[in-house]
Amino acid sequence: EDQVTQSPEALRLQEGESSSLNCSYTVSGLRGLFWYRQDPGKGPEFLFTLYSAGEEKEKERLKATLTKKESFLHITAPKPEDSATYLCAVTIQGAQKLVFGQGTRLTINP
Amino acid sequence: EPEVTQTPSHQVTQMGQEVILRCVPISNHLYFYWYRQILGQKVEFLVSFYNNEISEKSEIFDDQFSVERPDGSNFTLKIRSTKLEDSAMYFCASSRLSWNTEAFFGQGTRLTVV
Repeated sequence: EDQVTQSPEALRLQEGESSSLNCSYTVSGLRGLFWYRQDPGKGPEFLFTLYSAGEEKEKERLKATLTKKESFLHITAPKPEDSATYLCAVTIQGAQKLVFGQGTRLTINP
Repeated sequence: EPEVTQTPSHQVTQMGQEVILRCVPISNHLYFYWYRQILGQKVEFLVSFYNNEISEKSEIFDDQFSVERPDGSNFTLKIRSTKLEDSAMYFCASSRLSWNTEAFFGQGTRLTVV
């Protein structure tokens, strides 16, 4: 069965303290890996798409990387406004949907 | 910036009643989806839709659910006879180029079945 697992479930950091969130996947034929941000009571907001191992994408304090088994979302010098749940999702060969992980709830303390 | 619009933002309904959740996808997008998220749980796929046909549906999407694109802009999800366990946030999403490009999500409809 296709699975997406995110770790940790929750992460609390001090402002400026860099860290990484992990998304590991066990799927039959990865087509794309997507990172989203979700604020409480809101819809997922698109951040990055990665298609092949070795690919990296960057936006402000966030950088996403992809290997053959996992993806990392690196957050550098985070600010309180980066607090949110970060969701990882994949598309797989032959399927017309996103498969989501359970998310990592990130809290940045001032 | 174009966005996916969902209405209503919150709906309360009695068990057994029919509800219709409405979505206006981004105008030049061709691929449409419905997902749901029960409080505290992961985002779950319900159905995908392309060229006026269902492309894929999950086990959740049983005979009580239906989708329609009644005109060139709206995309609806109907639940015929709601159950308590249908209470969730329902998200509409759309993609422009294919199933494998980024999907943009609406802000959701919170459905509460009492």
